[in-house]
Amino acid sequence: NAGVTQTPKFRILKIGQSMTLQCTQDMNHNYMYWYRQDPGMGLKLIYYSVGAGITDKGEVPNGYNVSRSTTEDFPLRLELAAPSQTSVYFCASSRDRFDTEAFFGQGTRLTVV
Amino acid sequence: GDSVTQMEGPVTLSEEAFLTINCTYTATGYPSLFWYVQYPGEGLQLLLKATKADDKGSNKGFEATYRKETTSFHLEKGSVQVSDSAVYFCALSGGNQFYFGTGTSLTVIP
Repeated sequence: NAGVTQTPKFRILKIGQSMTLQCTQDMNHNYMYWYRQDPGMGLKLIYYSVGAGITDKGEVPNGYNVSRSTTEDFPLRLELAAPSQTSVYFCASSRDRFDTEAFFGQGTRLTVV
Repeated sequence: GDSVTQMEGPVTLSEEAFLTINCTYTATGYPSLFWYVQYPGEGLQLLLKATKADDKGSNKGFEATYRKETTSFHLEKGSVQVSDSAVYFCALSGGNQFYFGTGTSLTVIP
């Protein structure tokens, strides 16, 4: 049971660099999400997708981009990394938006220096 | 908009003590409510859920009841163990996303 797989687990970026965080799920879920987790702040939604080809902004989308070309994959792109993007990033998926649970990946710890 | 407010931490308890972590919510409509647990270095895992008013979710000795009249979903466990040390998140599903509380860190000491 792979579930939700995120790569990489850790990454250090220099200010101004770009990178893509990968996320794949094998549960055929329609909904996928990217959250960031900062100490004492809970989880903030960055972007979400309700199906292949459909994405929408969450609470904190600035500095990020996403795409959803397949049901399985939902990569998160950071352009021009800034120290404020230092965080732990979680990808999650759910079957739909009603009474089903969200399944989370193990997270990517990103440091921008 | 939809939101979740949960008890501030950290919480430190002795083994076998009673645990309560308070959670209240604001939502339009009738959301499903969840408790997730996060162990160090890991992602969030579902602990329990309730999908309608008066439902009780339970798992691993933890319980929470969906109270529409008080808009609450408090987490309880009668006797905590060292292995319950983790961060606990209350959440609701609304619109096209999940809304999470800020998390409550629990440490159980032997």
